[in-house]
Amino acid sequence: AQSVTQLDSQVPVFEEAPVELRCNYSSSVSVYLFWYVQYPNQGLQLLLKYLSGSTLVKGINGFEAEFNKSQTSFHLRKPSVHISDTAEYFCAVTLGSGNTGKLIFGQGTTLQVKP
Amino acid sequence: EAGVAQSPRYKIIEKRQSVAFWCNPISGHATLYWYQQILGQGPKLLIQFQNNGVVDDSQLPKDRFSAERLKGVDSTLKIQPAKLEDSAVYLCASSLLAGGRGETQYFGPGTRLLVL
Repeated sequence: AQSVTQLDSQVPVFEEAPVELRCNYSSSVSVYLFWYVQYPNQGLQLLLKYLSGSTLVKGINGFEAEFNKSQTSFHLRKPSVHISDTAEYFCAVTLGSGNTGKLIFGQGTTLQVKP
Repeated sequence: EAGVAQSPRYKIIEKRQSVAFWCNPISGHATLYWYQQILGQGPKLLIQFQNNGVVDDSQLPKDRFSAERLKGVDSTLKIQPAKLEDSAVYLCASSLLAGGRGETQYFGPGTRLLVL
């Protein structure tokens, strides 16, 4: 069975500093990987996803993530954060083949950007 | 393009009462999902429809939860009777095709349910 672990429940960071949100997954088969962002009182919005090919994936709002198969990780990074990046971030996986699209989510990481 | 619509946005009920949530997916999207998001946790899939057929309802508590997607468009999720542990945000999502191959799921704003 697949599972997702987000290693930090909260990440405080100052504005314009770099940030990394960590995500590890477990699966015996290939997976597709996703990062979603949830702003207060809103639904989830896709930041980026890895399906295949280049292991470095660029997303919206200046975010990027790197797929590391040997370490089963998919960490999210941004070189310089803004106050507006304050939100909840979710890592998710789904099976790479023969799947129905069911997303397995991590517990979430709260990014708190301070002025 | 209009996004996924959900109503109501908030609902407060007492335990043992019933409640229903409505979702209208993005026009033309074949697959519709209902997720439950308990405070402090990631969303968990309750049920997935492709058109008007159920693809996955393995985590739906069928003794109290029911869902339907008549005509393969909008959907209703019902809880009867509600328990305290049903307090959560109920998210609806949709995707264009069958949901596999890493398709993007588009989420609605959610319905926040509080059971007292």
